[in-house]
Amino acid sequence: GNSVTQMEGPVTLSEEAFLTINCTYTATGYPSLFWYVQYPGEGLQLLLKATKADDKGSNKGFEATYRKETTSFHLEKGSVQVSDSAVYFCALSNSFTQGGSEKLVFGKGMKLTVNP
Amino acid sequence: EAQVTQNPRYLITVTGKKLTVTCSQNMNHEYMSWYRQDPGLGLRQIYYSMNVEVTDKGDVPEGYKVSRKEKRNFPLILESPSPNQTSLYFCASSPSGPSSYNEQFFGPGTRLTVL
Repeated sequence: GNSVTQMEGPVTLSEEAFLTINCTYTATGYPSLFWYVQYPGEGLQLLLKATKADDKGSNKGFEATYRKETTSFHLEKGSVQVSDSAVYFCALSNSFTQGGSEKLVFGKGMKLTVNP
Repeated sequence: EAQVTQNPRYLITVTGKKLTVTCSQNMNHEYMSWYRQDPGLGLRQIYYSMNVEVTDKGDVPEGYKVSRKEKRNFPLILESPSPNQTSLYFCASSPSGPSSYNEQFFGPGTRLTVL
């Protein structure tokens, strides 16, 4: 079936540090991949996405590249800010699902705290 | 403003007392879904709806009911809540199902405690 495995943390970084959050997936066919972010006290919001191999999603200084050969979609940011403190979720959707189930499959989320 | 709203935002109740969490979206989205978020487990889908009068089970449907009588509303019903349903609940919507690569828009969440 479809699954997502990501770093769980929690992780604490200093401002301007480099961030990598690893995400790997298992899926048949050609899933779309997403990173969602959840700021404290809020719902999830889409950070970036990629719909085919070698696509790079980017937003707010974050980037992730869809690597089919390594089934990965790692999230990176060169210089984190205090305002990036949040929980980050990797997710996939897949049109090749048994029974045609329409859903996002999420990783467990990783809490990031950035200190000044 | 385009948004997904949920009510209530916080609820403390007792075992067995029926409750409903409402969800409404103003974006004319066809697809709506309920998730629960638990520490160490991430988000798990409870139920989803592809359109009016079309609903289906997600990964953890036991103990929950839903209905989709109107396109904008997708209430979550707990007929007889139990303590293991204490969780943070999110409603989400998108123009169509996630397999078409659309972004899902999430509500602010409902924190439910069942004593």
